[in-house]
Formats: sequence, structure tokens, C-alpha cells
Amino acid sequence: AQKVTQAQTEISVVEKEDVTLDCVYETRDTTYYLFWYKQPPSGELVFLIRRNSFDEQNEISGRYSWNFQKSTSSFNFTITASQVVDSAVYFCALSEASNYGQNFVFGPGTRLSVLP
Amino acid sequence: ETGVTQTPRHLVMGMTNKKSLKCEQHLGHNAMYWYKQSAKKPLELMFVYNFKEQTENNSVPSRFSPECPNSSHLFLHLHTLQPEDSALYLCASSQDRASGRRDTQYFGPGTRLTVL
Repeated sequence: AQKVTQAQTEISVVEKEDVTLDCVYETRDTTYYLFWYKQPPSGELVFLIRRNSFDEQNEISGRYSWNFQKSTSSFNFTITASQVVDSAVYFCALSEASNYGQNFVFGPGTRLSVLP
Repeated sequence: ETGVTQTPRHLVMGMTNKKSLKCEQHLGHNAMYWYKQSAKKPLELMFVYNFKEQTENNSVPSRFSPECPNSSHLFLHLHTLQPEDSALYLCASSQDRASGRRDTQYFGPGTRLTVL
């Protein structure tokens, strides 16, 4: 069965620090998709990135970067030079390709607080 | 309007009331979802509609009744709710493929429901 673990429940950092949010997943499929979402205090989940299981290249988008390692079943998310506006709950999610009707499985989320 | 919209944003209702939550997506997607997010609990998938047909109902109590008149609109009808139903209700949509693979889900801002 699918499973997503985000071991860090809450993280606090001071502005301008780098922070890494961990995500470990379990799946039996060879083809699957990984996602990160941000949920600011307003409540809306904002899509950040989707990565398929065949693309292990790391990705950088501004201050955000993602490290996908199939060998350790991890898809970690790093924010460089964090800002107060980065304060939110971040969710990692997994979607398998093979099973019809198989939905997203969300991790429990990591609450990030960036202090000024 | 763009993206996924939800109304109302906040709702307070008594246990004997009947109310409805509305979701509309402007993305041309064919799948829509209802999620429940309670405090300190993972996101719970409630219902999935694909091309207006309900494809999943994750053991949701009958006091929650979904309706999907077309691919752009999704409703959640509420009646005789309990205080423990108080939560953030999130709607999402995705462009699901014929294979059934769950594509990226885009979320609305949510309706924060309080049941007195």
C-alpha cells in the first residue's frame, strides 16, 4: 500500500536560514508521482511541484529545491534563505500510476515557522 | 475567475440545519474531489467524481451528500451534522487521464465549517 511519512511535525527557523523538509514514501509501483503542496494560514493548498519516478534529476526553482532519491525513497524539499512568507504547512503526496482509482496519499504535513 | 473557487468561505450551522458547500473549477478538468481537514489530522479524501460520475466514496456518513451536475461544479450538501464534523472542507480538481492515473490536483481555498 501507498504511504507517505513526514517525520518532522513542526520546524522553526530564523529568517534567512536554510531548511529541509523530509518526505519518505512507500509504494510497490515502478511508476508513480510525487508532489509537494504548501498550505499557508489562509487554508488553500498550493501546488509546488510534481515529479515522476523516472526523473531523478534534482530541481531548483528560485529559493526552492527538491532532492529525489529512489534508493532511499525520499523526496526532500529545501528552502534556501527562508522568509517569513514561507511559514505554512507543507504536504508531500504520492500518486501511483497503475491502479485505477488510486488516489493521492498525503503525508501528515510539516508545519514550518519562519521567525523574523 | 480562475482556478478553483469555493463558497462560502466560512459557515456556522446548527446540528439541525441544512446547508450546501459549492465548488467551481475554471481549469477545464474532468475530476473533482472533496477533502476534509480536521485539526491535527491528515487530509481525508471524502468523494471523487470523474466526468460527473462518483467513482469513490470513502465511507463517508450519509449526512454528507455530494452532487456533481457537470464537470465544473461540485456541491456538498450537509444535514444534521455533528460538532465533530467541524473542519476545513477542501475541493480540488484534476485533469485525470483515461488510465485513471491521478494527475496534479489543484485546490480551492476551502470552507471552514463550524457545527454548533
